Amino acid sequence: DIQMTQTPSSMPASLGERVTISCRASQGISNYLNWYQQKPDGTIKPLIYYTSNLQSGVPSRFSGSGSGTDYSLTISSLEPEDFAMYYCQQYDSSPPTFGAGTKLELK
Amino acid sequence: QVQLKETGPDLVQLTQTLSITCTVSGFSLTTYNVHWVRQPPGKGLEWMGAMWNGGGTDYNSAFKSRLSISRDTSKSQVFLKMNSLQTDDTAKYFCARRDGSYWYFDFWGPGTMVTVSS
Repeated sequence: DIQMTQTPSSMPASLGERVTISCRASQGISNYLNWYQQKPDGTIKPLIYYTSNLQSGVPSRFSGSGSGTDYSLTISSLEPEDFAMYYCQQYDSSPPTFGAGTKLELK
Repeated sequence: QVQLKETGPDLVQLTQTLSITCTVSGFSLTTYNVHWVRQPPGKGLEWMGAMWNGGGTDYNSAFKSRLSISRDTSKSQVFLKMNSLQTDDTAKYFCARRDGSYWYFDFWGPGTMVTVSS
């Protein structure tokens, strides 16, 4: 199985700050890297798919990049509703695997 | 609009069998794959398995032969059944639709929390 190492595990940040979350795969995943946001109520929604494609309805302050084994999610200017959990996920091969998550917290 | 909703028991006894139903609307199970993902309390997401649009299945080997996924297309329902439950199967169970082109989960259900009790 492909292992996904996501860093950091938690990140205190301020409103308006630019933040980046990283995800490293244990082998190349050909850009099949997706990002999800999980709110405190448990609901999960996709943010970015196939490395850099913005899901419909997701604000443009979210962006994704990467290639090979290394990928990242950037939020350009934090809004109050962005404080949540974030997960990366690969689906280059089965089983699809997730990173351990990053908790974005208000500083 | 696309919706998925999981229904199942809140509590299951140790060693018993868990059955959860995912009822979908806004799309056809013969067009899209539906997957199961679980999340133990305070932990991350774990993929369990999938029902392909063609009727086949795929399972995470971590669940060995404990897991079975099936469907009833006439009712737009996908079923998860897992036996020999242990306390570490306590989790929130989600069903999610997989996008056909880019292989990501584009719609998720709200999840159903299941506690395994001894």
